This record gives sequence, C-alpha cells and structure tokens, in this order.
Amino acid sequence: DAGITQSPRYKITETGRQVTLMCHQTWSHSYMFWYRQDLGHGLRLIYYSAAADITDKGEVPDGYVVSRSKTENFPLTLESATRSQTSVYFCASKGGDTDTQYFGPGTRLTVL
Amino acid sequence: SQQGEEDPQALSIQEGENATMNCSYKTSINNLQWYRQNSGRGLVHLILIRSNEREKHSGRLRVTLDTSKKSSSLLITASRAADTASYFCATARSSNTGKLIFGQGTTLQVKP
Repeated sequence: DAGITQSPRYKITETGRQVTLMCHQTWSHSYMFWYRQDLGHGLRLIYYSAAADITDKGEVPDGYVVSRSKTENFPLTLESATRSQTSVYFCASKGGDTDTQYFGPGTRLTVL
Repeated sequence: SQQGEEDPQALSIQEGENATMNCSYKTSINNLQWYRQNSGRGLVHLILIRSNEREKHSGRLRVTLDTSKKSSSLLITASRAADTASYFCATARSSNTGKLIFGQGTTLQVKP
C-alpha cells in the first residue's frame, strides 16, 4: 500500500525487553522522524533522519536507538524497555522539497 | 521542552459556529504548521504559514501569524461535527532539517 505504515499497531512488553517498532514509507521521502505522544506533553521528537545512514537525536532520545539502512525504512528500537516508555509512537516522513510531514497511524506501546 | 503553547486546551461549540485556537511560541521560526488528529489516528497536515506571511486561507481554515508577538491563531469557520479532533501547532526553526516542535494541542468538540 502507498503511504506510511507502522507495525505493530499495538504492543505489550515487559520491563527490560528489547522492542523494535517499524516504519515504512513508499514515497522515497528523504526525511523520516520518530515522535512519542504522551498526555500533557503533546508530541516530542525522539530521532530523525535526513537520508539513509544519516540520523540525529531529537528532544528525547535516551533509551532509544534508530537505524536507516534503506530510505524507506526507519526502525526504532527500545534496547531495554522501561515503564516510562509506555506511549504512542508516531513515525513521519517528508520530502526534501516540502515542509509538510506525513504521519503514520501510530503504535501504542505498553511496558509492564 | 515544548516550543508552542496552545490555548484553550479544550473547546466545545455547536455546529455552525466558528472555532478559534491560539498558539504561542518562544523562538524565531521559519514556518508554523497546524495539524489535526482524530481520536486514535495519526496527525494530518492542515496548513503552513511562513514567517514572512501574516495570513493564509484554505477552505474553511484561516491562519494568522504575528511574529512580533510570537503567536498564531487557527480559525475554523462554520464548524461541522466532523471537525471534532485535536489540533496542534508545530513550529520549524529551520526549513533544512524539517524538525518540528509541537504544542500540546487544543481538543475541539463540535456538537451536532
């Protein structure tokens, strides 16, 4: 399907486990972003990527790892999940010639 | 830290009325964007206004930007029940990285 997709849509895990959230876009957008959304905080940027193999930290990167070996994929890994990482995670992308970001449907992650 | 603060946090109006949401930010910006989020969904881009623009229209949406006051407003005219959603402003300090800083959002309820 065209657009930006995230998987899984829902995930329950336990403290200390490693979790990877997937993001895939079909537009060949150069920029991709990961946000988390928590009540009272709006959306906060975790990591972003300007192109394949180029990533940089956002506002709240601690506890997260990203990679971007292919333009269309931007996985987010929680190396050792903590309860404070319970949140809704959104992936977004944008082309180099626009400022508009396109968001995926989100992944609701619960860490027990 | 959040760049934007939105006011009000929640707004309830009748169908056909106008809805006005305000956003204030702290630093200089390249552009300001408004996004809508329906419950349980990803964000959808509504409109972008650049720092050298004062007003912009798109259908029933009107956005103003006052860089001297570091504030923006979103007006939705002749609201419909389908406009019920959360609305977020997001600021970009630079067009290069695409990094956005989101406000905490305004939740709009339009009663039929």
